[in-house]
Amino acid sequence: EDKVVQSPLSLVVHEGDTVTLNCSYEVTNFRSLLWYKQEKKAPTFLFMLTSSGIEKKSGRLSSILDKKELFSILNITATQTGDSAVYLCAPREAGNMLTFGGGTRLMVKP
Amino acid sequence: KAGVTQTPRYLIKTRGQQVTLSCSPISGHRSVSWYQQTPGQGLQFLFEYFSETQRNKGNFPGRFSGRQFSNSRSEMNVSTLELGDSALYLCASSSDRVVQETQYFGPGTRLLVL
Repeated sequence: EDKVVQSPLSLVVHEGDTVTLNCSYEVTNFRSLLWYKQEKKAPTFLFMLTSSGIEKKSGRLSSILDKKELFSILNITATQTGDSAVYLCAPREAGNMLTFGGGTRLMVKP
Repeated sequence: KAGVTQTPRYLIKTRGQQVTLSCSPISGHRSVSWYQQTPGQGLQFLFEYFSETQRNKGNFPGRFSGRQFSNSRSEMNVSTLELGDSALYLCASSSDRVVQETQYFGPGTRLLVL
C-alpha cells in the first residue's frame, strides 16, 4: 500500500528560526513530488520536484528530492509568522493522482 | 486567469440524502481531480477526470461518483450520505499539456452531514 510519512507532526519555532520538514514516501508509479502550504483554506502550491539532488528555491523556501532514498525535505529560513500553516507533501503517480502525507503543522511565534 | 471555482462553498445535509458538488477548472485545464479532507484521514484522493473520462480512482465506496462535461467542468455526487462523509471536498485542476504539470486547488466545499 502506498505510504507517505511527514515529520515532525508539529513544530513551534520563533520568528527568524530555520526549519526543516521531512517527507518519506513509498508509491508504486512515482512521477514527481509536490509540496503545498495549507492555511485555513485550500492548499497552495509551493514546489514540484522531479529530479534527485536538484534544489528548488523560492525566496526563503527551498526543497530537494532524493529518489534513491525516497525522501524529500522542505527548508524555510528566517521564518515569519505568515509561515504558520500545515505543510503537505504529495508524491504524484500516474495521471494526476496525489497521495498526501498527514502534514506538518508549523507555528511561528513572534 | 480565474482560478478553480467550486460551488456551493458550504452545505448541510442529513443522513440518507444525496449531494452534488460542482467544480469549474482553470480555463484550458482538462484534468479535474477530487479529494476529501477530514481531520482523521487527511487529504485523500477520490477520482480524476480527463476529457470526460475517469482516469484514476481512489479507494472510496460506490456512493461516491463523478462526471466531467465537455467544457471540463466536473461534478461529484455522494448518495446515501453518512455522518462520516462530513468533510472538506476539494477539486484540483491541471492542464496536462506539459508532462509533470502541477495541480491547482479550488477553495473547497465544506459538507456537514447531520
